[in-house]
Amino acid sequence: DIQMTQSPSSVSASVGDRVTITCRASQGISSWLAWYQQKPGKAPKLLIYAASSLQSGVPSRFSGSGSGTDFTLTISSLQPEDFATYYCQQANSFPRTFGPGTKVDIK
Amino acid sequence: QVQLQESGPGLVKPSETLSLTCTVSGGSISSYYWSWIRQPPGKGLEWIGCIFHSGSTNYNPSLKSRVTISVDTSKNQFSLRLSSVTAADTAVYYCARQGEGGRSYDYWGQGTLVTVSS
Repeated sequence: DIQMTQSPSSVSASVGDRVTITCRASQGISSWLAWYQQKPGKAPKLLIYAASSLQSGVPSRFSGSGSGTDFTLTISSLQPEDFATYYCQQANSFPRTFGPGTKVDIK
Repeated sequence: QVQLQESGPGLVKPSETLSLTCTVSGGSISSYYWSWIRQPPGKGLEWIGCIFHSGSTNYNPSLKSRVTISVDTSKNQFSLRLSSVTAADTAVYYCARQGEGGRSYDYWGQGTLVTVSS
């Protein structure tokens, strides 16, 4: 199985801050990487697919980059509705695996 | 707009079989891969497996001996069966569609909590 790690595990930030979350795969996954946002009691929501493609309807302050083993999700200017947990997921091979999550909370 | 809805018992006894169904509306199940993903309370996401409309499946090796995913295209539904459950199988179970973009999950059900307890 491909293991996914994320850093940091949590981050405290203020509205307007730039936030960067890193995801690393235990082996190369090309650009088969997705990012999700999850709020308490809700299903995950797709933000980014294929490492850097913005899902329809997702604000442009979200962006993704990377390929191979190292990936980044950036929120350019944090908004109140962005406080949530973020997960990366590899789609290179089965079984699909998720990172452990990064919680973004209010500073 | 595609919608997914999980249904099934919220309480299952240890050693018994967990059975859930996902009903797809607003689109046909006869394309795409359809998946089950679970999340234990307060923990991260675990991929259980997926099925194509043709019936071909892929399962997580950690659960493979206990999991069966099936599809009923006439009802626009797919189902999960997980046998010999224990407390460790207590989780919110989500069904999801693997969309066209990057093999990611673009539509999700709301999730259903299944508790394993006697």
